[in-house]
Amino acid sequence: AQSVAQPEDQVNVAEGNPLTVKCTYSVSGNPYLFWYVQYPNRGLQFLLKYITGDNLVKGSYGFEAEFNKSQTSFHLKKPSALVSDSALYFCAVSPVNDYKLSFGAGTTVTVRA
Amino acid sequence: EPEVTQTPSHQVTQMGQEVILRCVPISNHLYFYWYRQILGQKVEFLVSFYNNEISEKSEIFDDQFSVERPDGSNFTLKIRSTKLEDSAMYFCATQGLAGSNEQFFGPGTRLTVL
Repeated sequence: AQSVAQPEDQVNVAEGNPLTVKCTYSVSGNPYLFWYVQYPNRGLQFLLKYITGDNLVKGSYGFEAEFNKSQTSFHLKKPSALVSDSALYFCAVSPVNDYKLSFGAGTTVTVRA
Repeated sequence: EPEVTQTPSHQVTQMGQEVILRCVPISNHLYFYWYRQILGQKVEFLVSFYNNEISEKSEIFDDQFSVERPDGSNFTLKIRSTKLEDSAMYFCATQGLAGSNEQFFGPGTRLTVL
């Protein structure tokens, strides 16, 4: 069975500073990895995914994530955070050939002006 | 940009009543999912649906739950006899191709069981 851990419930950064949201995963075989963002009273919005290829993937709104197979991590990063990035971020994993997503508990990001 | 829509946005029901949550998938998507998120908890997989049948279901998806695509467009989740613990946000998600493609989520239906 696959699982995802997001070790930080909350991340607080100042606007303009780098933002990192951590994610580690456990899965049998190769993973598909995803980041989603949830704004208040909204659904989950897709940010980026890792399927294969380059370990650094770029996504929406200036976000990127680095796949590290040896550390089984897929941390989300943004070089310069905006106040509008304040939201709940979910990491998710599915094994290759399995379609259901397993989500982490989520990390609340607060970017202060 | 195409999007997944869900109705109603909020449903309040009495314990023991039946509810039907509706989802309109993105056109041409082939894979459909229901997830739920109990307040303050993680998003949990309920069921996947492909080619007019259930592909996989979780332990949460017991006999009280059912899904169908009655008219080839809407994708519904029915809870036959709701329990207090069914109160949650229910998300529909759809996917164009298997596995490697992202799932697109609807805005969710907040179900409150009294």
